[in-house]
Parts: sequence; structure tokens; C-alpha cells
Amino acid sequence: DGGITQSPKYLFRKEGQNVTLSCEQNLNHDAMYWYRQDPGQGLRLIYYSQIVNDFQKGDIAEGYSVSREKKESFPLTVTSAQKNPTAFYLCASTQGYYNEQFFGPGTRLTVL
Amino acid sequence: ILNVEQSPQSLHVQEGDSTNFTCSFPSSNFYALHWYRWETAKSPEALFVMTLNGDEKKKGRISATLNTKEGYSYLYIKGSQPEDSATYLCAFCPAGKSTFGDGTTLTVKP
Repeated sequence: DGGITQSPKYLFRKEGQNVTLSCEQNLNHDAMYWYRQDPGQGLRLIYYSQIVNDFQKGDIAEGYSVSREKKESFPLTVTSAQKNPTAFYLCASTQGYYNEQFFGPGTRLTVL
Repeated sequence: ILNVEQSPQSLHVQEGDSTNFTCSFPSSNFYALHWYRWETAKSPEALFVMTLNGDEKKKGRISATLNTKEGYSYLYIKGSQPEDSATYLCAFCPAGKSTFGDGTTLTVKP
């Protein structure tokens, strides 16, 4: 079955540690996105990539980094520079002219 | 940062009630508007893609309308059922990326 996988589902890290969240898709979509959700808020765009080896900052990119070495994979690193990293992180990919988004199951990151 | 607003923030209705909520977005440079349904413990799923002023889309008991000139879209649910309980997100989509509203959380009581 085609889809988007994110791992792990829950992640705990100590303050000051970098952590990498995985996102893989087998939908053959060109564009991939990372969003963050905080309680009571919608999805805020962290980074997106429309093609391999290229990516752009979203609205809240500070403290995050990404890579896009393969079409299928778009990992997100939460660095120690991110002031408040505890949140729910969603990865998505898009198809079609109007950017309909397909989402993964999400990773809940808790920094202790 | 584009401003996409959804109202109300939350809504509690009885089974069988009809309801509607609003998504407001910038009226300039319109490209597309998406509605998504996000059920607890699941991933958001696309409901509608709205692209033309005056668009009306329908899927079962759920329908949506679009007014690009004044910058709003309505989502209607007729005869709400408990399984309609979810957060409904709209996303304004200039080419390349989407800006999401904060969502409307609907709770349907049996």
C-alpha cells in the first residue's frame, strides 16, 4: 500500500540533544513538507522540499534542519537551538496541480 | 505569514443537527483552498479541493462553498453523526505551500 510513514510515533529526548525524525513516502510524490502542531493551534510549516536536493524554509524554520537526498525521504532534525521543541510533528507529501496533501501518522516529541 | 482564520474554534452539537463553519483567507492571489478532516489518532485526510469562485463540492452529508472575491469558504454538515466528530482544517494554497487555519473541532453527542 502506498503511503507515508513516520518513525518513531513517540520520542523522548533530553534538553540540548539533537534528534532526527524520519519521514518516508512511496507515493512517488515530488514535494514533501514538515509541519508542527502545538495544542490549540493549527499546522505550522517548518520546511518543504519540491524536488530532490532542494528545500525551502517555512514559517518557523529556526532551530530545525532538513535534507532531501532521495525522493522518498525527508528527515527533520530538531537541533538544540530550537527553544521549545516539544510538539507533534507531521510530515506530508503532495500530488497534483493544487497541492492536495497526504499526511503521515505523526511523531510526538517530548523534550525532558 | 498569510492569515487564515477558522471559526468557531470548537462546536458541540447533538446527533442529527446540521452545522457549518467558516474559513477566511486572503482574497488576493487565490490559487486553491483545501478542507481536511482530522480524526483523533489518525492523520488528516483531504475532504475537498476548491479552486474556482462559486465552487460547491459535496461528499455525502458534507458540502463546501467558496467565495474567492470576499475570501471565505463554508463547510456544511447535514444531520451530524457521532462519526463526524473531528477537527476540520482549511488550508489556503498559493502555489508551492499551504497555510493552515487553526481548525474547528466538532463534537457530535449521541
